[in-house]
Amino acid sequence: NAGVTQTPKFQVLKTGQSMTLQCAQDMNHNSMYWYRQDPGMGLRLIYYSASEGTTDKGEVPNGYNVSRLNKREFSLRLESAAPSQTSVYFCASSIGGTQYFGPGTRLLVL
Amino acid sequence: RKEVEQDPGPFNVPEGATVAFNCTYSNSASQSFFWYRQDCRKEPKLLMSVYSSGNEDGRFTAQLNRASQYISLLIRDSKLSDSATYLCVVNGDTGFQKLVFGTGTRLLVSP
Repeated sequence: NAGVTQTPKFQVLKTGQSMTLQCAQDMNHNSMYWYRQDPGMGLRLIYYSASEGTTDKGEVPNGYNVSRLNKREFSLRLESAAPSQTSVYFCASSIGGTQYFGPGTRLLVL
Repeated sequence: RKEVEQDPGPFNVPEGATVAFNCTYSNSASQSFFWYRQDCRKEPKLLMSVYSSGNEDGRFTAQLNRASQYISLLIRDSKLSDSATYLCVVNGDTGFQKLVFGTGTRLLVSP
């Protein structure tokens, strides 16, 4: 049982490049989330998907897009990366009030 | 004012000590409360939920004070392996599915 998986683990981008962060869960959870974590800021919600076919903005959605491809997969896309998007990105899924996190993607934008 | 506020620490304690963290939240309508643990460079993991009557899990005790809008976590007989950052988490305005995370309190347990 893998839980929540994320790819890639690390990525370096140049300003203006695009990329997609992948997330998948095998726990049959309806809800999935994307967060970013920055020093001193805690975890901030970027987008979430309450169920397959729906997505909603979180606290810091600007510069990001998401796709809930199916119940298992929820991807996060950076269309034109900026240095301010340097962060650690966590995907999570939930049942009830408990969220289960993936191992994270460390992104550096130069 | 932040929705969830925690003392960032670090709290430096010797093995075997008892340590307590507090957290305050601003949304009086919040219904669900949690403590998560995050090890260095790892993902957060649920430590325990916090119930109105208070709850205990081994060496860990969590309490909720709705009137004062704060949550506490008590760790007894600290172990080296307890060294981590402890995140206070509260559900957001739209219910349990959106959680608001505190910035965390760092605990360092030394031999």
